[in-house]
Amino acid sequence: DAGVTQSPTHLIKTRGQQVTLRCSPKSGHDTVSWYQQALGQGPQFIFQYYEEEERQRGNFPDRFSGHQFPNYSSELNVNALWLGDSALYLCASSFWGGTATYEQYFGPGTRLTVT
Amino acid sequence: QKEVEQDPGPLSVPEGAIVSLNCTYSNSAFQYFMWYRQYSRKGPELLMYTYSSGNKEDGRFTAQVDKSSKYISLFIRDSQPSDSATYLCAMSGEAGNMLTFGGGTRLMVKP
Repeated sequence: DAGVTQSPTHLIKTRGQQVTLRCSPKSGHDTVSWYQQALGQGPQFIFQYYEEEERQRGNFPDRFSGHQFPNYSSELNVNALWLGDSALYLCASSFWGGTATYEQYFGPGTRLTVT
Repeated sequence: QKEVEQDPGPLSVPEGAIVSLNCTYSNSAFQYFMWYRQYSRKGPELLMYTYSSGNKEDGRFTAQVDKSSKYISLFIRDSQPSDSATYLCAMSGEAGNMLTFGGGTRLMVKP
């Protein structure tokens, strides 16, 4: 049973560029959440997708956008990159409405470096 | 002030010691409390989950929640070098909703 997968593993971008990160949820999960983890910090919630809609959003600017596909996979897009966007981007999946709705399983993350 | 505070450590203990990790929080709406373990350059792994106040035990791990004090703890018995990692507390107001994390405590268990 494959867990949460993310691609790419590492990415280096230049300030001002745009980036797309991808996530495939754990089998049987229908909800995807994205988090940003700066070095030495805890993850910060970006947004959550369920039924292809953004269900919740954290305190991140509109430069951060996302999408969920009918197969429940998801993309995180960041426009106009700046140095402060350098971080580990984590995807977490869960099953909405089940007895274990609280369980969010994290992928290995995509490490983004902006130069 | 952050919603969830966690001592960053590092916390260094000898193998076999009992480890106590703690978080305090300010948002009284939090009802779901979780502990995650994160190894270097890996994603967080869910260790323990507790709903509302009380204790929960799973093997060498015990999670405690005191909502009246807004204080949660994770105890690790008979700590092993393989327990060396960063431990993150996380909480949410509703099941499945956004998680608010502490900054993490780095634990080192020395053989």
